Amino acid sequence: SQQGEEDPQALSIQEGENATMNCSYKTSINNLQWYRQNSGRGLVHLILIRSNEREKHSGRLRVTLDTSKKSSSLLITASRAADTASYFCAIASGGSYIPTFGRGTSLIVHP
Amino acid sequence: SQTIHQWPATLVQPVGSPLSLECTVEGTSNPNLYWYRQAAGRGLQLLFYSVGIGQISSEVPQNLSASRPQDRQFILSSKKLLLSDSGFYLCAWYRGDYTIYFGEGSWLTVV
Repeated sequence: SQQGEEDPQALSIQEGENATMNCSYKTSINNLQWYRQNSGRGLVHLILIRSNEREKHSGRLRVTLDTSKKSSSLLITASRAADTASYFCAIASGGSYIPTFGRGTSLIVHP
Repeated sequence: SQTIHQWPATLVQPVGSPLSLECTVEGTSNPNLYWYRQAAGRGLQLLFYSVGIGQISSEVPQNLSASRPQDRQFILSSKKLLLSDSGFYLCAWYRGDYTIYFGEGSWLTVV
């Protein structure tokens, strides 16, 4: 199973700005998911995008998937201090339904 | 609604001592359950998964073992802890459509 690689590793922005983080992978996927982890807590599922989808929205979240470039991006618009967390992409590929997680992007939103 | 409980939340254990982390799921039957480990600054590593009572699959060779004595109970154990076993342990269950639902995690520090 493959692991996605998030970029950047860390991101620091001001409240109200947009935050963009990316995930790249190497081989074809079934779907890609984004999870959020507050410090010292479990991960929370945010959004899933299937390999035949290009864009999905959920509230202030926008996820895109470019299978030709083997990459996905997570955009958080009008960020808030409460968005401070680590964000992980998780990839399901091949015959496995168990997603593999990357190392995450640490986002800090300054009030 | 489904919930997942992990305990203890925090544990400090000496090298060579045993370990038992417990996870229970409510509101679902015959869940697929997982144990992940998250070392500091790293991604999630899948340690074990179980598709039913007494059925355990190990993803990586290590000092740990897992058991599933009841349908909704998953236990992570060690007979003798190593320093390298320190980390954040997450229990999770597969709630369908490739999505994983996580518990709140257990911090283990081996001293």
